[in-house]
Amino acid sequence: RKEVEQDPGPFNVPEGATVAFNCTYSNSASQSFFWYRQDCRKEPKLLMSVYSSGNEDGRFTAQLNRASQYISLLIRDSKLSDSATYLCVVNVYNFNKFYFGSGTKLNVKP
Amino acid sequence: EPEVTQTPSHQVTQMGQEVILRCVPISNHLYFYWYRQILGQKVEFLVSFYNNEISEKSEIFDDQFSVERPDGSNFTLKIRSTKLEDSAMYFCASSEVSGTDGGYPEAFFGQGTRLTVV
Repeated sequence: RKEVEQDPGPFNVPEGATVAFNCTYSNSASQSFFWYRQDCRKEPKLLMSVYSSGNEDGRFTAQLNRASQYISLLIRDSKLSDSATYLCVVNVYNFNKFYFGSGTKLNVKP
Repeated sequence: EPEVTQTPSHQVTQMGQEVILRCVPISNHLYFYWYRQILGQKVEFLVSFYNNEISEKSEIFDDQFSVERPDGSNFTLKIRSTKLEDSAMYFCASSEVSGTDGGYPEAFFGQGTRLTVV
């Protein structure tokens, strides 16, 4: 079973739309959770950490559900510049590595 | 803003040759990582390094791979005898010891070295 699973998409949405991605993780000992974005042929860039109580950063809201072992990312008022692949990343406590999902591709169209 | 830097940005090498990929992590970070991403595939963990030794490594990181921190700033990945299937984007990353939420902190990635083995 994969450590982190994501719907690969693509999600094709118009500008201004609200879009949500989910991610599930398999290891209940997972400790830290993140969303990264990756543009084509570029490095992953941290979008936001995901805290237990959920957190918001501008148009982006991240939620964590430990009981169901999933993480979500909500993007409101989508911009063309939001087009990218969104990577769900999980770090298991005491293991010095980050597990990456395969990413969800978002295309925001005018 | 501090960043992880990697050199070279692109390396072409012949099969069987040795390559060294170089990284300068963020200066106050203590955990260092190498990841790779084969074109069209997901980001895969190779190795993590802390306190001058390997902390964790994946099954990909076999005897052909080695890492080193030769001085206070550089962190290198060596592939001893490259194979065609080593062609990928290699990302270096670094993170602090502890994060703001009590868990492990975020990892920051360099721009990558595109390795092409011919």
